[in-house]
Amino acid sequence: DAGITQSPRYKITETGRQVTLMCHQTWSHSYMFWYRQDLGHGLRLIYYSAAADITDKGEVPDGYVVSRSKTENFPLTLESATRSQTSVYFCASSGLAVANEQFFGPGTRLTVL
Amino acid sequence: AQSVSQHNHHVILSEAASLELGCNYSYGGTVNLFWYVQYPGQHLQLLLKYFSGDPLVKGIKGFEAEFIKSKFSFNLRKPSVQWSDTAEYFCAVGNDYKLSFGAGTTVTVRA
Repeated sequence: DAGITQSPRYKITETGRQVTLMCHQTWSHSYMFWYRQDLGHGLRLIYYSAAADITDKGEVPDGYVVSRSKTENFPLTLESATRSQTSVYFCASSGLAVANEQFFGPGTRLTVL
Repeated sequence: AQSVSQHNHHVILSEAASLELGCNYSYGGTVNLFWYVQYPGQHLQLLLKYFSGDPLVKGIKGFEAEFIKSKFSFNLRKPSVQWSDTAEYFCAVGNDYKLSFGAGTTVTVRA
């Protein structure tokens, strides 16, 4: 049971480059989420998706783009990376049967130079 | 919008000491409450959750939490910590399939 996976686990990029972080879940969960984790801020929601082709902004969406063409995948793209986007990014998923409980992936540590 | 406040930023304890982490939230409607733990270098894992019923919830690894509706609180407790409890602990409040997280409390247990 693979659960929820993220790739890459570590990424170093330069300011201005486009970066895509991948998230894949095997549970067929309807909901998927992207968070960033920064010291002193806990986890902040970037975007979420209620189903394929349905996405919505979270608390800190600026500079990010998401898509969800398939239920199991929810990629996050930084169109033009900035240093302030250096962070650890977590993907999570949630099924309809257990309201709100979210299951997290292992995270991607992104450094923007 | 809901917000979650964790009272302690960093807690340092000795093994066998008791642990209590405070969590308060602001939201007037029905919420689901969670405590997640993040061990060093790992992803978040669910410790325990409260949806309804008995306000005293027992989770994994000897943790428990008490929901006090009148105080909008969901404090986490463990009677006797171990070195392996060193981690970051996050309180979260859920509504409408979204979670709002507190800033987290880093717990360091000294052997």
